[in-house]
Amino acid sequence: RKEVEQDPGPFNVPEGATVAFNCTYSNSASQSFFWYRQDCRKEPKLLMSVYSSGNEDGRFTAQLNRASQYISLLIRDSKLSDSATYLCVVRRASNDMRFGAGTRLTVKP
Amino acid sequence: DGGITQSPKYLFRKEGQNVTLSCEQNLNHDAMYWYRQDPGQGLRLIYYSQIVNDFQKGDIAEGYSVSREKKESFPLTVTSAQKNPTAFYLCASSTQGADTQYFGPGTRLTVL
Repeated sequence: RKEVEQDPGPFNVPEGATVAFNCTYSNSASQSFFWYRQDCRKEPKLLMSVYSSGNEDGRFTAQLNRASQYISLLIRDSKLSDSATYLCVVRRASNDMRFGAGTRLTVKP
Repeated sequence: DGGITQSPKYLFRKEGQNVTLSCEQNLNHDAMYWYRQDPGQGLRLIYYSQIVNDFQKGDIAEGYSVSREKKESFPLTVTSAQKNPTAFYLCASSTQGADTQYFGPGTRLTVL
């Protein structure tokens, strides 16, 4: 079993739709949680950190459930420019980041 | 502009040849990392370095070597011992103890 698991998708949604991605992690000692965005053939870029209380950044909302070891990302009012692969990332220790394989999103006109 | 650079963007090598991938950062970050990304898989850590002249193996270090002679530079050598070297290689850096890692643009290595 992979330490960080994500549904690979692809998720194909129309512009303006709301879409949610989920991620589960297996190591209960994990300390920090993130969503990264990766465009095709490019490097990953930090989208947002994920906090236990949940956090929002514009159209993006991230939530963490430590008891269920589950992380989510909600995108509201999808734009064409949101098309990318979204990586769930979990930090176990200072230099130990574990990456999910990513969920691919395509937003269509 | 501050950032991480990797060169070249695309690299082709014949089987059996060693190849060195460059990674340079001017962010004054202490820690640097090398990852490998294969289709359908998450990034996997090859090596990391927390300070000059020191580095540690990651999960898949076999067939790779690194050096950290300068804070700004962390080159990765893919040796002929690496069985499946064709992949997308990503370098990252962070401040010591920081949560966030910043990535370079990557080098796509193809071994023919």
